[in-house]
Amino acid sequence: GENVEQHPSTLSVQEGDSAVIKCTYSDSASNYFPWYKQELGKRPQLIIDIRSNVGEKKDQRIAVTLNKTAKHFSLHITETQPEDSAVYFCAASIPGGGADGLTFGKGTHLIIQP
Amino acid sequence: DTEVTQTPKHLVMGMTNKKSLKCEQHMGHRAMYWYKQKAKKPPELMFVYSYEKLSINESVPSRFSPECPNSSLLNLHLHALQPEDSALYLCASSQAQGQPQHFGDGTRLSIL
Repeated sequence: GENVEQHPSTLSVQEGDSAVIKCTYSDSASNYFPWYKQELGKRPQLIIDIRSNVGEKKDQRIAVTLNKTAKHFSLHITETQPEDSAVYFCAASIPGGGADGLTFGKGTHLIIQP
Repeated sequence: DTEVTQTPKHLVMGMTNKKSLKCEQHMGHRAMYWYKQKAKKPPELMFVYSYEKLSINESVPSRFSPECPNSSLLNLHLHALQPEDSALYLCASSQAQGQPQHFGDGTRLSIL
């Protein structure tokens, strides 16, 4: 099955600075890569996703890049704000993957220092 | 607000009880999922219903039993659970597998 590694496990940045979270995946058949934000005690919320036929996608302060050859993808958050503090999960999905569904990375606890 | 509704929000049960978790979506999605999430861990996929076909994560014990009465409802039947089954149980739905998944708020389950 798919295996997703995520780094770092904790990331502390000053408000206004940029944050980058990196993930690698093992199965070259994976073709869908979402990112979720989860605040304490709340549900995971989809913030951005990318498919394997695209190298980069941007939505306001959030961007995701994908390198299929190296099998890694990254989340970039610019001009960070206190409300960006949360746990961020990357995930990968294999098409028609049966019970595989989404495989998540272990998460990154992003802390925005005021 | 979430478009995936889960009930109950909290559940405390003994190891000999039988209970059910419920999940409902009205977005016309044809794939629904159950995930288990322990504290400070990522969600782990338990079951997928896609176009009325069930796929099972083989590591899930048989004391968890999913049921899909129709395309908008997904239940998770619980029987003879163990203390280590205490967790947040999340339901999600998507238009199809490989499409964006939207999560409900979850049911926080505690086994005494």
